[in-house]
Amino acid sequence: NAGVTQTPKFQVLKTGQSMTLQCAQDMNHNSMYWYRQDPGMGLRLIYYSASEGTTDKGEVPNGYNVSRLNKREFSLRLESAAPSQTSVYFCASSPIGAANYGYTFGSGTRLTVV
Amino acid sequence: AQTVTQSQPEMSVQEAETVTLSCTYDTSESNYYLFWYKQPPSRQMILVIRQEAYKQQNATENRFSVNFQKAAKSFSLKISDSQLGDTAMYFCAFMKQGAQKLVFGQGTRLTINP
Repeated sequence: NAGVTQTPKFQVLKTGQSMTLQCAQDMNHNSMYWYRQDPGMGLRLIYYSASEGTTDKGEVPNGYNVSRLNKREFSLRLESAAPSQTSVYFCASSPIGAANYGYTFGSGTRLTVV
Repeated sequence: AQTVTQSQPEMSVQEAETVTLSCTYDTSESNYYLFWYKQPPSRQMILVIRQEAYKQQNATENRFSVNFQKAAKSFSLKISDSQLGDTAMYFCAFMKQGAQKLVFGQGTRLTINP
């Protein structure tokens, strides 16, 4: 099925461990995004990539890095996980010039840092 | 910076009733887009309805409609003939024209009771 695929769906990390969240879309979208969802705070933008080869910080980028590997893939890396990074992470994508029609979201990754 | 506020953390209604979810936003922009997303227990983010600020006519999608008050910076969602499947978290979101970033509200958890 066409859409945005995130892996893994669930992950438990120990404080200080590193991991990469993977995201791939097969809709030929140019723009991709990473959000985190926390109770009472909605979704907040971590990083986004307007097009292949570019990345920009969002509202809450500290503690994260991203890589736009190619047009399809946009990964999010936690170098040294902290309990404050316990959250649900969403990847999303949108076609060029049409983000104002809304994003297509992945199904999310629930990350727990202990 | 734009902000989106949903002042109702939780709401609960009986099946078949009509329910209205509130959303206010703060912006100095004159052209922008507003969205309502639904997040059922499956965690998937689903676009419910979209409004273009330059259109005075309120958007409707089947049982879902909005009341867009540009001067008051208000964008409420009305769900008519509510169904059990409407039980979800609902997020209001804002995007200014020419931008790609969605700014989300805190969310309202809606429960439809049988």
